[in-house]
Amino acid sequence: GENVEQHPSTLSVQEGDSAVIKCTYSDSASNYFPWYKQELGKRPQLIIDIRSNVGEKKDQRIAVTLNKTAKHFSLHITETQPEDSAVYFCAASSTNTGNQFYFGTGTSLTVIP
Amino acid sequence: EAQVTQNPRYLITVTGKKLTVTCSQNMNHEYMSWYRQDPGLGLRQIYYSMNVEVTDKGDVPEGYKVSRKEKRNFPLILESPSPNQTSLYFCASSPGTGFSYEQYFGPGTRLTVT
Repeated sequence: GENVEQHPSTLSVQEGDSAVIKCTYSDSASNYFPWYKQELGKRPQLIIDIRSNVGEKKDQRIAVTLNKTAKHFSLHITETQPEDSAVYFCAASSTNTGNQFYFGTGTSLTVIP
Repeated sequence: EAQVTQNPRYLITVTGKKLTVTCSQNMNHEYMSWYRQDPGLGLRQIYYSMNVEVTDKGDVPEGYKVSRKEKRNFPLILESPSPNQTSLYFCASSPGTGFSYEQYFGPGTRLTVT
């Protein structure tokens, strides 16, 4: 099956700086890569996703890049704010072969005011 | 209001006592799924369902059962719970179409098995 690895496990940045979280996957059949944000005590919520036919996607301060050849994808958050502090999870899925989802182990991001 | 609901939200039980965690969604979503969340391990998929009467094993199905008799409901059954099933459980649903695979998560159920 698929194996998704996520790094770093913890990340601290100063407010206004950028944060980058990286994930790698093993199954070349994976074609859908979402990122979820989970605030303390809350449920995960989708913040951005990308499909394998796209190399980059942006939504305001958040961007995701995908390198299919190297099998890795990254989340970029610019101009970080204290409310960006949360745990972020990457995931991979193959929508062509059943939609099983594989999540990374999470990155705890702390934005220091 | 569009939502995924789970019950109960908290449950403490003893080893071997069968339990069911209910999950319901009112968004007419095709896809539903169960995850468990453990510290350092992220979210691991237990079972998922692409449609009524169709269920598939995820990464960690041992010790769990599910059923999908109606589109809106996807209960998780632990027939003989053990302490290693102590975890935070999330149900999720998704349109599951070619347009959107976004998963909407329920509020979570914290289960303790003693």
